[in-house]
Amino acid sequence: AQSVTQLDSHVSVSEGTPVLLRCNYSSSYSPSLFWYVQHPNKGLQLLLKYTSAATLVKGINGFEAEFKKSETSFHLTKPSAHMSDAAEYFCVVSDRGSGTYKYIFGTGTRLKVLA
Amino acid sequence: DTGVSQNPRHKITKRGQNVTFRCDPISEHNRLYWYRQTLGQGPEFLTYFQNEAQLEKSRLLSDRFSAERPKGSFSTLEIQRTEQGDSAMYLCASSSVSGYQTQYFGPGTRLLVL
Repeated sequence: AQSVTQLDSHVSVSEGTPVLLRCNYSSSYSPSLFWYVQHPNKGLQLLLKYTSAATLVKGINGFEAEFKKSETSFHLTKPSAHMSDAAEYFCVVSDRGSGTYKYIFGTGTRLKVLA
Repeated sequence: DTGVSQNPRHKITKRGQNVTFRCDPISEHNRLYWYRQTLGQGPEFLTYFQNEAQLEKSRLLSDRFSAERPKGSFSTLEIQRTEQGDSAMYLCASSSVSGYQTQYFGPGTRLLVL
């Protein structure tokens, strides 16, 4: 069975400081992992994905994530937060075992950026 | 590539009424997914189509729910005899044959059952 756990439901940072959103996964297979962002009243937008290539994955808007198999983690980082980064972030694992590749979402982390 | 579209964006209905939502995936994407997101939670999988075939349904999808994808193009999700617990955001996503692991989401349909 596959699952993801987002360790923080809320994170607050000041504008211009680093962002760290934590995600741990559990998977019976070599996982495919994703981070999506959801702004209010908007759809889910793909930030980045890991599909067994480079362990350090760069995404849009300056975000990156590192796949660490030994720690079963896929934390999302950004060196300097911007006000526009305030949103809900979801860590996702793709269910490769079922053949459907349906997504299993974490419960989300709400990022607040303080001026 | 105009993205995944969903209609309506918002729906308010009374308990016991039937509602139908539509999803238009990215053209030529053969995989289509429906998810449900309740307040403060991550989306949960409802059902999956490959072309016109519905290949998996979640236990969340009670017998009041039905989904179709005629001709493997757009999809509809119908809820019969709505209940207040059906209030949620219903999300549609699609993916391609080659990029099958990456799903692209529509803006969702927000349902409120009074």
